[in-house]
Amino acid sequence: QSALTQPASVSGSPGQSITISCTGTSSDVGGYNYVSWYQQHPGKAPKLMIYEVSNRPSGVPDRFSGSKSGNTASLTISGLQAEDEADYYCSSYTSSIFYVFGTGTKVTVL
Amino acid sequence: EVQLVESGGGLVQPGRSLRLSCAASGFTFDDYAMHWVRQAPGKGLEWVSGISWNSGSIGYADSVKGRFTISRDNAKNSLYLQMNSLRAEDTALYYCASGSLEAFDIWGQGTMVTVSS
Repeated sequence: QSALTQPASVSGSPGQSITISCTGTSSDVGGYNYVSWYQQHPGKAPKLMIYEVSNRPSGVPDRFSGSKSGNTASLTISGLQAEDEADYYCSSYTSSIFYVFGTGTKVTVL
Repeated sequence: EVQLVESGGGLVQPGRSLRLSCAASGFTFDDYAMHWVRQAPGKGLEWVSGISWNSGSIGYADSVKGRFTISRDNAKNSLYLQMNSLRAEDTALYYCASGSLEAFDIWGQGTMVTVSS
């Protein structure tokens, strides 16, 4: 149950695109199409942004997109906005009722 | 309104026990798996435990296996986490979350557990 690996920080200017990677193994990210992404602002509960690798829940802007290749999943934020500054976590189903989170990435809007 | 409300956190001495509760409302509780996720101060998210809709599947992170017990009461729309033999490293904000589409789609605001003498 090792945490998935994410970069500690990613930054970009307003309007730019950024991508956050999430690297696991064939037992989690690579083995299932059940990768999800969460946004967490300081002092707030996490919010689901992407589920099943690339699907957006209702209400999540379409500038958030997800993808996966092999054991690495990615979250891309296009047209970066000030309110996107937050911590982002990936998560993957691993088996049965088990899950694992990523190490987390702090996104800074310059 | 869809809502999860955790309770039961507090300050507890190492080695003692605590029971967390999570009250669900606004959705069909017994349709969903439920989970506990924790976040130590200044740290990332850690999946702690999960339970299927009918309690038929239960899982724990290695860090809490043998010490924590998850349970649910669908008649009361409630989720529980019994935490025994608490350690300093269990200090964290504990969130309950519903599991839908193999993701955590609804989150509570969390209840803080502090383990200290």
